[in-house]
Amino acid sequence: ELKVEQNPLFLSMQEGKNYTIYCNYSTTSDRLYWYRQDPGKSLESLFVLLSNGAVKQEGRLMASLDTKARLSTLHITAAVHDLSATYFCAGPLEGSGSRLTFGEGTQLTVNP
Amino acid sequence: DSGVTQTPKHLITATGQRVTLRCSPRSGDLSVYWYQQSLDQGLQFLIQYYNGEERAKGNILERFSAQQFPDLHSELNLSSLELGDSALYFCASSVTGNSPLHFGNGTRLTVT
Repeated sequence: ELKVEQNPLFLSMQEGKNYTIYCNYSTTSDRLYWYRQDPGKSLESLFVLLSNGAVKQEGRLMASLDTKARLSTLHITAAVHDLSATYFCAGPLEGSGSRLTFGEGTQLTVNP
Repeated sequence: DSGVTQTPKHLITATGQRVTLRCSPRSGDLSVYWYQQSLDQGLQFLIQYYNGEERAKGNILERFSAQQFPDLHSELNLSSLELGDSALYFCASSVTGNSPLHFGNGTRLTVT
């Protein structure tokens, strides 16, 4: 069964700065997802990473996947307050299939 | 808007009681997933249905049950409620394969 670990769990950063959230997973997985959750709200899908070396970008967020290292990263460029949220990475419970297991989440706070 | 509808948004009930949470998946999605989100356990996969049939079980208690109806909506039944069952319960749906899960807005259950 896939285990997903994120770090850091809490991240406070200033607007305009860059930072990276790391997601390590325990066994072979055919894909990795990133989600965003605002407090008390639903989870919004950000990225689906399907292959080794995959890189996807949307605005100030860029996600990448290294299947050999079992590592995915979510890079934040020039953070703005609106990016404050909790970010989850997730992967298939059995390494494949549609049921997902989630990391603990990284609570990001961007300060003016 | 993910297209997944959950009702009710909030539910407050007493220990020992039984409640039913309802979910309508996105149009065309045959799979429905239930997740529980709590501060101490994080996001936990409970159960999956596909086209009316149970597909997989996760960390679902015996006091909990679910079903998916012919119109594809799903219900999660929670009985003999305990204080520790207080959580945010999410429903998600997907098409098959690598598609991300699309989450509803959740039902916040408070057991007093």
